[in-house]
Formats: sequence, C-alpha cells, structure tokens
Amino acid sequence: DVKVTQSSRYLVKRTGEKVFLECVQDMDHENMFWYRQDPGLGLRLIYFSYDVKMKEKGDIPEGYSVSREKKERFSLILESASTNQTSMYLCASISTGTGRNYGYTFGSGTRLTVV
Amino acid sequence: GESVGLHLPTLSVQEGDNSIINCAYSNSASDYFIWYKQESGKGPQFIIDIRSNMDKRQGQRVTVLLNKTVKHLSLQIAATQPGDSAVYFCAGFSGGYNKLIFGAGTRLAVHP
Repeated sequence: DVKVTQSSRYLVKRTGEKVFLECVQDMDHENMFWYRQDPGLGLRLIYFSYDVKMKEKGDIPEGYSVSREKKERFSLILESASTNQTSMYLCASISTGTGRNYGYTFGSGTRLTVV
Repeated sequence: GESVGLHLPTLSVQEGDNSIINCAYSNSASDYFIWYKQESGKGPQFIIDIRSNMDKRQGQRVTVLLNKTVKHLSLQIAATQPGDSAVYFCAGFSGGYNKLIFGAGTRLAVHP
C-alpha cells in the first residue's frame, strides 16, 4: 500500500522555536506539497516542489521554508514559530508521469500547537 | 483569484437519506475535479473524480455532476450511512505543477 508518512501526529512547540515537519512518500512521486488546514478556510498551499532541490511558493509562504534534498522527503520549516501558525499541516504527493489520475495522496497530518 | 468553494459549511441528514453537497469553481480552465472525504484525525481521501469533458460520473453510492455552464459541481451520496460522516472537499486542478485548489469543505453529519 502506497503511503505518505508524516513523522508526527501531534506537536507542541514554543513561540520562537524553529520547527521541522517531515514528510516521506514511497511512491517515487516527483511532486510534493505542503498545505495547512484551518476551520472554514479549507486547505491552503504553503509550498510545493516538483523535483529534488526545486521549490515554489504557494499562496501563504510567509513564515515558512522548505527543503527537498531527496526525492522521497519534503520538509516544512517554521523558522520562528508563532501562535498564528497553530494549525493542521498536511503533506501530499502526486506523480507527474501518471498525470492527474486520482489526484494527490495525502499524509495523515500533523497537528501543531504553538504556545 | 481562482477559487473552488462550497455553498454550505454543514449538512445534516438522516441515515438512509440521500445527501447532496455542492461546490462552485471560478476557473473555467480547470479540466479535472476531485471530491475528497476527510474523517476526523485523517488526511483527505479520494472519493471520485470527473473530467471536464464529462457531465456525470458514478461510483459506488456516489455520483458527481459537473455543470460547466454555471461552473458548479455536486456530490450525491445515496442511502447515507453513519460512516459517511466526514468533511467533504471539492478540488480542481489549475495551472501548472499539478496544483489542486480546494474548497473550504462541508461537514456531513448523519443522524440515526
């Protein structure tokens, strides 16, 4: 069974900390995405990557950065966590080669609380 | 800007009834749409998709309708069951890089 795995289900961090959220996929997908999910706002795209070492800003990149050193791993970094970054973070991937069939495969999410 | 949005944030139905969840989109260039189901504590999961050259697609107990004239999607769930309780998202591909634009979501609550 193919998977997107997010390393933590729940995280509690202090304001100002540097936070790393990790995502690993085993499907050899080229494209990987980070979304945050907030009630009433749906899923908003933070960053995405279409290849190793490549990254593109999404709709809400401020306060975040990403790293894609290996094809299977896409990391989201909160440079200095703030309380308004308390949210559910979802990682997703999709293959370029198979086109858009079935859309993304999502991880289970990381619920981050910044105190 | 581009958007995919839902008309109602919450839908309550009786077990056994049919459910209809609606979605509007703004980008007429979107050529592929997906409905996702998200249960509590889980990531969104694919339910059904439809391409822009189709008006209707049926799955097991679910049907998606696409009206390109008014840029509207709907998800119909037949004989709704308690296990259908979840948040449902519509999403459409827009632009390059396989980016999906998501609606805000509708919570479906199924009552016995």
